[in-house]
Amino acid sequence: KQEVTQIPAALSVPEGENLVLNCSFTDSAIYNLQWFRQDPGKGLTSLLLIQSSQREQTSGRLNASLDKSSGRSTLYIAASQPGDSATYLCAVTNTGNQFYFGTGTSLTVIP
Amino acid sequence: NAGVTQTPKFQVLKTGQSMTLQCAQDMNHNSMYWYRQDPGMGLRLIYYSASEGTTDKGEVPNGYNVSRLNKREFSLRLESAAPSQTSVYFCASIHTTYEQYFGPGTRLTVT
Repeated sequence: KQEVTQIPAALSVPEGENLVLNCSFTDSAIYNLQWFRQDPGKGLTSLLLIQSSQREQTSGRLNASLDKSSGRSTLYIAASQPGDSATYLCAVTNTGNQFYFGTGTSLTVIP
Repeated sequence: NAGVTQTPKFQVLKTGQSMTLQCAQDMNHNSMYWYRQDPGMGLRLIYYSASEGTTDKGEVPNGYNVSRLNKREFSLRLESAAPSQTSVYFCASIHTTYEQYFGPGTRLTVT
């Protein structure tokens, strides 16, 4: 069974800092990997989707990379802002039928 | 374009009561999913429907039933609620690229 791990579980940084969130998975035969943001008491908002054939995707200040062979993805957030404070989750699918989630990294950006 | 909607937003049940959680999407997606989210455990798949008229069990189906009413609607039923079913329930709709779109969630407490 696919296992997805996100370390650290929590991260606190000062405003303006660049930061990297990590996601690792045990089965490298994935179809895609998706990064989400979840605000307290809210649903999941999709940030970036990386197909297995891609190495990275960018959206604004966010850049996600994928290294299938090592079972790793990173989410890079540039020039962090207090509004970036949220929990960030990654999810992978091997078959397109079942998706496996990490438990998330809770990010706090201090003004 | 509302995306994925869920009702109700909050619900409190007594042990043994039944209820149905409703989910609807207006993105014309074939696949719809039900997850539960518990602290420290990430999101776990309860049931999914790959297309209208089909449903399949996920990781934690016990105590739940589902109905894919039509292409837009996918409901989750708890026949006899138990305290272990206290959780946040999310419905997701899946694009053909396997990108997931989530509803806002239903927060259920069983006493």
